[in-house]
Amino acid sequence: DTGVSQNPRHKITKRGQNVTFRCDPISEHNRLYWYRQTLGQGPEFLTYFQNEAQLEKSRLLSDRFSAERPKGSFSTLEIQRTEQGDSAMYLCASSLGAGLAITGELFFGEGSRLTVL
Amino acid sequence: DQQVKQNSPSLSVQEGRISILNCDYTNSMFDYFLWYKKYPAEGPTFLISISSIKDKNEDGRFTVFLNKSAKHLSLHIVPSQPGDSAVYFCAAQGGSEKLVFGKGTKLTVNP
Repeated sequence: DTGVSQNPRHKITKRGQNVTFRCDPISEHNRLYWYRQTLGQGPEFLTYFQNEAQLEKSRLLSDRFSAERPKGSFSTLEIQRTEQGDSAMYLCASSLGAGLAITGELFFGEGSRLTVL
Repeated sequence: DQQVKQNSPSLSVQEGRISILNCDYTNSMFDYFLWYKKYPAEGPTFLISISSIKDKNEDGRFTVFLNKSAKHLSLHIVPSQPGDSAVYFCAAQGGSEKLVFGKGTKLTVNP
């Protein structure tokens, strides 16, 4: 399977714990995005990388959230001191692009569902 | 505030008929618009897009219409098939790499 891969698919944690999600994009894609989707809502942008550089962050990405893409390949999204409001589906997407061009098609993974008890 | 609005949470149509999904936006900076389809337990998949320099884009059974003056776009599916049953998200982009999504419309195509 050469699509976008996300792990784990489902994480249940207690409030206050830290969680980390991993995303492996399509191998030749230089752009990687994190979105969050809650029930009844569309995906909301969190952050975006071009290669290893994090170029844009949403106000939704509080200090408890950190995303990295150390070698320009896979990415991790860590949430520290989780809160019940963090419960959501975390979607990763990738694309191939250059410059501040029109994004065009994003290829999404199946998501990592976080449940904070 | 919702910059991209899909005011119909659900739509039900008969197989073979036309499905029309609507989307409104408020941000004049948006210059590129996309539709994504999502099946349960899967990530969204790209369906069709349109640039603001066009008013129509067609791909097989799917056509997207853009009315810039009304800040409105619509997705037409003709003919509708049961396999088209999914949640459809409208998304917009302008000035950054960020896509802004609507809340989605759940389409059900009845055999």
